[in-house]
Amino acid sequence: DTGVSQDPRHKITKRGQNVTFRCDPISEHNRLYWYRQTLGQGPEFLTYFQNEAQLEKSRLLSDRFSAERPKGSFSTLEIQRTEQGDSAMYLCASSKYGGRVPGELFFGEGSRLTVL
Amino acid sequence: KNEVEQSPQNLTAQEGEFITINCSYSVGISALHWLQQHPGGGIVSLFMLSSGKKKHGRLIATINIQEKHSSLHITASHPRDSAVYICAVAAQGGSEKLVFGKGTKLTVNP
Repeated sequence: DTGVSQDPRHKITKRGQNVTFRCDPISEHNRLYWYRQTLGQGPEFLTYFQNEAQLEKSRLLSDRFSAERPKGSFSTLEIQRTEQGDSAMYLCASSKYGGRVPGELFFGEGSRLTVL
Repeated sequence: KNEVEQSPQNLTAQEGEFITINCSYSVGISALHWLQQHPGGGIVSLFMLSSGKKKHGRLIATINIQEKHSSLHITASHPRDSAVYICAVAAQGGSEKLVFGKGTKLTVNP
């Protein structure tokens, strides 16, 4: 098992461009979370999936943001018409949700976005 | 007021010192996580607690559910322990989404 992988690790783009990040969770994990972290702050929740269903979205996730997990495996996070305020580290995490017992969480290395 | 408060924000120690980082939270939780983040961004889960105490090597984590407080201790600190330590709580209600503290930056000098 290679853990949670994210791609790309770094992305530099110009304001107004679209960007897409991919997250491959640990294979048997049914839950997948996206978080955003700006410099000097703790991560903030964006959205999460259980299998292919997107169960919750934060108010931080504006209309320009969309996330998918089409087959319940990998997930993509797309940001349209990027703004400088979107510059952040985008973190993906996965866990195996068993119902009553919280699942151990595994994080990817993150995708750092810089919007010029 | 943040739902998860950590103290101190920054901590500098000499190699070998005993270190304590504190975390207080204000919401009902299903679990509390202690995480380690090195420069460059990667986050590693150190502990997941819902009660009591856990120990892994030189690291010890405790939680007091009634007082809504947790501590992370590092015994015999080493320069390689230098990192940001983040407390995060998993909300009750089934989502297990995390609410994070701002982190404690630890620097251990040789």
